[in-house]
Amino acid sequence: GENVEQHPSTLSVQEGDSAVIKCTYSDSASNYFPWYKQELGKRPQLIIDIRSNVGEKKDQRIAVTLNKTAKHFSLHITETQPEDSAVYFCAARVTGFQKLVFGTGTRLLVSP
Amino acid sequence: ETGVTQTPRHLVMGMTNKKSLKCEQHLGHNAMYWYKQSAKKPLELMFVYNFKEQTENNSVPSRFSPECPNSSHLFLHLHTLQPEDSALYLCASSQAASGLPGGGELFFGEGSRLTVL
Repeated sequence: GENVEQHPSTLSVQEGDSAVIKCTYSDSASNYFPWYKQELGKRPQLIIDIRSNVGEKKDQRIAVTLNKTAKHFSLHITETQPEDSAVYFCAARVTGFQKLVFGTGTRLLVSP
Repeated sequence: ETGVTQTPRHLVMGMTNKKSLKCEQHLGHNAMYWYKQSAKKPLELMFVYNFKEQTENNSVPSRFSPECPNSSHLFLHLHTLQPEDSALYLCASSQAASGLPGGGELFFGEGSRLTVL
């Protein structure tokens, strides 16, 4: 089955810096890669996703890139702000299945 | 406003107790999920229901028993749990896979924090 690895487990940056979180997946049949943000004590919420027919997607300060050959995808946050502090989860879904396999999460701390 | 509500938010139970977690979604979705979130572990899918029918059981012990009476409600019945079952149990909903490539976005509830003594 699909396996998703996520790095780093923790990431500390200064406000205004960029942050990059990387994930690798094992099943080449995966075609959908969402990123969820979970603030302390809150529910996970989708912030951006990408499908396998696209190499990059941007939404304001957030971007996701996908390298299907290498089977890895990354989340990029530019001009970080303290409110970006949260745990970020990547996930992958195999074509034709509903099961989302999640990474272990990255705790991002943005210091003012 | 979430659209997916879970009760109770916190639950403490002994290993011999029987309790239930409840989830309700007001989004018109037809798929519902139970996930387990433990510290330093990935979100683990437990069960999937599509149009009230269970379509996935991810090798979950029988001490967890799901129930989906309709597309808007999902329960997780708990009995004779172990301390290692202590975790945050998240309910989610989405449109089912049909009609969208790979299915739609997951909308999570706030979770039920379970402590087993």
